[in-house]
Amino acid sequence: DAGVIQSPRHEVTEMGQEVTLRCKPISGHDYLFWYRQTMMRGLELLIYFNNNVPIDDSGMPEDRFSAKMPNASFSTLKIQPSEPRDSAVYFCASSPTGYYGYTFGSGTRLTVV
Amino acid sequence: GENVEQHPSTLSVQEGDSAVIKCTYSDSASNYFPWYKQELGKRPQLIIDIRSNVGEKKDQRIAVTLNKTAKHFSLHITETQPEDSAVYFCAADPLNDYKLSFGAGTTVTVRA
Repeated sequence: DAGVIQSPRHEVTEMGQEVTLRCKPISGHDYLFWYRQTMMRGLELLIYFNNNVPIDDSGMPEDRFSAKMPNASFSTLKIQPSEPRDSAVYFCASSPTGYYGYTFGSGTRLTVV
Repeated sequence: GENVEQHPSTLSVQEGDSAVIKCTYSDSASNYFPWYKQELGKRPQLIIDIRSNVGEKKDQRIAVTLNKTAKHFSLHITETQPEDSAVYFCAADPLNDYKLSFGAGTTVTVRA
């Protein structure tokens, strides 16, 4: 298995633009998580899905953020419009049912200028 | 929600010495406590975990201990090596809640 796959690895965009981050979880993992990592706030959970259904989005900072999981092998995190304070590394992680160990993707480093 | 505090924020040790990182949590319902290692520019990777029905777990040079009464758990790295230099994160997961709350991280530097 190739692990959790995220794309792009790096994204530089201008303020106000739409940004879409992508994630492919490990096959068979029923849970998918989106985390944001910054120096100031550490690892923050944004949203997580179980069997493609959003379970808890209380960590999504604003309405500018949205996430979808149209099928078991794909999820997106969208920021529209983006702002400089959204600059961070965004990690996707997946976990099999009944087992708590997350496997993280390589992350997307987002820079909004 | 769960609040996880991690200490120290930085730790410098001489190669061969031991390193200890401690975390405290607030939710007594937490029953799963993983530790992640993140090397510079890389993803966090699970290195060891412990569940609430176990007091200690070892895997080669790393061990984790859990004190449920005091609500704290610790990571112990023995015979440290330069490749142990990284940021280490603890986390906790309340019962029946798959959301991991992470500590702020400890930057460990092993001096050769």
